[in-house]
Amino acid sequence: DSGVTQTPKHLITATGQRVTLRCSPRSGDLSVYWYQQSLDQGLQFLIQYYNGEERAKGNILERFSAQQFPDLHSELNLSSLELGDSALYFCASSVEGRTYNEQFFGPGTRLTVL
Amino acid sequence: GENVGLHLPTLSVQEGDNSIINCAYSNSASDYFIWYKQESGKGPQFIIDIRSNMDKRQGQRVTVLLNKTVKHLSLQIAATQPGDSAVYFCAELNTGFQKLVFGTGTRLLVSP
Repeated sequence: DSGVTQTPKHLITATGQRVTLRCSPRSGDLSVYWYQQSLDQGLQFLIQYYNGEERAKGNILERFSAQQFPDLHSELNLSSLELGDSALYFCASSVEGRTYNEQFFGPGTRLTVL
Repeated sequence: GENVGLHLPTLSVQEGDNSIINCAYSNSASDYFIWYKQESGKGPQFIIDIRSNMDKRQGQRVTVLLNKTVKHLSLQIAATQPGDSAVYFCAELNTGFQKLVFGTGTRLLVSP
């Protein structure tokens, strides 16, 4: 158990809908990262937050947004969902986010868009 | 599992053999290289990392080798066990950008 929790574990929804994925980092970790793992693209970095502020951005679609709250939990919002958004979404956390620190991954949320 | 359908290269070994998993990375400016293990239904799990100014690092039963000349990374697992069966990913990180860039992964199958 990495100490990172993600909810829900599974999510099934329809095209055009909006969903919110939640992540709680390990106790004491200030930085949260979101990754998407799809069958055709592998594991891809989406976005990083450090102590409430966006720190780095990857290949995140404009339909997707994220935020990190004062209690350091993070939410990833996916809107106008398309079939191709079906994937595993992982959250990871690290102690801080300005130098290299080991990232600990959560168990993921499996999103299925029908 | 989540990697079904991905055309992952597969390495099949017998229990007790040594395994070598290879990875080619893309960015010569990457500062750190990390190996992750992903078991079915779970998130990636850190195995070992190596800084770009090193060429070898050893852990428990694992060794990572870095060849910057040809941008190649390898993970050696000694005395492979059935519990080592998983998908292994290499990842590179440039600390200036703080994002992990993952390779495509290799599936390791260990037969008893």
